[in-house]
Order: sequence, then C-alpha cells, then structure tokens
Amino acid sequence: GQQVMQIPQYQHVQEGEDFTTYCNSSTTLSNIQWYKQRPGGHPVFLIQLVKSGEVKKQKRLTFQFGEAKKNSSLHITATQTTDVGTYFCAGQEYGNKLVFGAGTILRVKS
Amino acid sequence: DAGVTQSPTHLIKTRGQQVTLRCSPISGHKSVSWYQQVLGQGPQFIFQYYEKEERGRGNFPDRFSARQFPNYSSELNVNALLLGDSALYLCASRIRDGAEAFFGQGTRLTVV
Repeated sequence: GQQVMQIPQYQHVQEGEDFTTYCNSSTTLSNIQWYKQRPGGHPVFLIQLVKSGEVKKQKRLTFQFGEAKKNSSLHITATQTTDVGTYFCAGQEYGNKLVFGAGTILRVKS
Repeated sequence: DAGVTQSPTHLIKTRGQQVTLRCSPISGHKSVSWYQQVLGQGPQFIFQYYEKEERGRGNFPDRFSARQFPNYSSELNVNALLLGDSALYLCASRIRDGAEAFFGQGTRLTVV
C-alpha cells in the first residue's frame, strides 16, 4: 500500500537558522498537504500542493511539490520559537485516503 | 462557527471493554475521517465517511467500526480493547473530497 516517508525525524536548530523537512511517497499523488501539530495539540492544516513542480510560499515557509508528484519539501527561513512543533506531510492518491508521514519534530533554541 | 468537536476528550478503559468516540464536523462538511495517532507517530487512517457511506478503510482490525449519521456527525467504535489501542483518536472533516482536513482536538484513550 501507499507509504509516505518523512525525514529527518527530529531537528534542533538555533533561532534564526533555516529548517527543511522532506517527504517521499511510494506512489504518485494527486495532492500533498502539510500540517503542523504543536505539543499537546492537533494537526493544523498549512497548505495543499496539487500541480507538478508547484512552489508555494507563506511568509517564511516555502513548500515544493516534485515534478513526479511523489516528493515534497517544507523549508522555513530564519526559524522563530513560534515555529516549534511537528510538521507532517500527508499524501493523497486519487481517492480519499490521506496518508501521513511520521513527521519531523522541530525544536528551536533561543 | 464551531470547529470539529470530539467527545470525550479523555477516556480510560480496561482491556476487553468497548468504547464509542463521537465527532461533530464543521457545519457544511459532509466528509468525516478517523485517525489513530500513537505517541511519536503520524496519524494513521482508520475510516472515511462521506454522505453516510464508507469511502475508505485503513489497515485496522474488525474490532474497529464507524458510522455517520444524517446530520454528518460520526461515531467510532472499538470493541475488545487492547493495551495497544491506547492513542489519540482524531476526527477530521472536509468540505469535499481532496480538500484540506480540519481536525478536532482528539480523544485521548488510555487502555489499562
């Protein structure tokens, strides 16, 4: 079945440094979504990418969808303490099932 | 508008017991999905319902069942609880297939 792998599992950065998490699907996706979960909270939707090679930006966050629609990345420029949390990618095949990666835990030292 | 609401927020059950978790989607959302999130892992898909019909089922045993009501709220039932069923159970609603998922706060189930 469909699998979504996410790396790294954990990253600890100094405030102001950049951060990137990568996501790879075993199958071609119709779209990929990114979520953020704060400690003790629930996943909160960040963005959805649909088109091959798509790049979207939200302030300091840049999201990319690969040309083959099997991989994606999230890059945060100049991290802040408010960026702390776990970032999940979730891939959707041509159906309804959303498959989540294991997430990347981001810790920011101030 | 209220977001996705789940009840109860916390629950402690004994092995072998049965549990029912409830979810009310965002008004206007007809799609409800259930996920299990074990500590340190991503949410694992259990079920999806749309317009009261099951649209998808994850790799979970038959002890897990769900249904969706005419008002689009949903229940997740788990029978014969095992210690390994201890997890955060998340409900998510979507306005349509393929759209972003809005998650509730979850139900923290502990099986002892």
